[in-house]
Amino acid sequence: RKEVEQDPGPFNVPEGATVAFNCTYSNSASQSFFWYRQDCRKEPKLLMSVYSSGNEDGRFTAQLNRASQYISLLIRDSKLSDSATYLCVVGRSGQNFVFGPGTRLSVLP
Amino acid sequence: GAVVSQHPSRVICKSGTSVKIECRSLDFQATTMFWYRQFPKKSLMLMATSNEGSKATYEQGVEKDKFLINHASLTLSTLTVTSAHPEDSSFYICSARGWTSSYEQYFGPGTRLTVT
Repeated sequence: RKEVEQDPGPFNVPEGATVAFNCTYSNSASQSFFWYRQDCRKEPKLLMSVYSSGNEDGRFTAQLNRASQYISLLIRDSKLSDSATYLCVVGRSGQNFVFGPGTRLSVLP
Repeated sequence: GAVVSQHPSRVICKSGTSVKIECRSLDFQATTMFWYRQFPKKSLMLMATSNEGSKATYEQGVEKDKFLINHASLTLSTLTVTSAHPEDSSFYICSARGWTSSYEQYFGPGTRLTVT
């Protein structure tokens, strides 16, 4: 089993839709959690950190469920510019990151 | 803030030659830098972790004599791909983490290496 798993998609949604991604991780000792976004042939960019209490940033909401070892990302009112690959990232001991394979999102006009 | 640069952005080299990639943190001191590689449509794979002034820690399966990493200062790390082969062609990305307690890493724009 991979340490971080995501549905690779693609998720094709119309503009304005709400879309949710899940990510599961296998190492219960994982300490930090993030969502990154990566555009085609570009470097990953931090979208948001994921805290135990959950956090919201505009149209984006992230949740962490330590008991079930999954992280979610909810995007409301999707924009065309949200089209990208969303990477679930888990920090393990030693502060190294483990990247999920990414979920591809295409927002269609 | 938290800008990381990489140079070169693209490089094409012949088999057997060596290529050096630089990673710089421009507005903060990076205590730790990470080197990743990414194949098309695949996720980032951590190659090694380097702390300033000490030897890099390589992930399993990554040849340290082939991928030489130097982290000589708090703002610069270099990755040298020695005796490059076509299978080394990939997107190499560095990231850096500073002194803060946050675990966040800031990524450079990547270097696309093509070995012919």
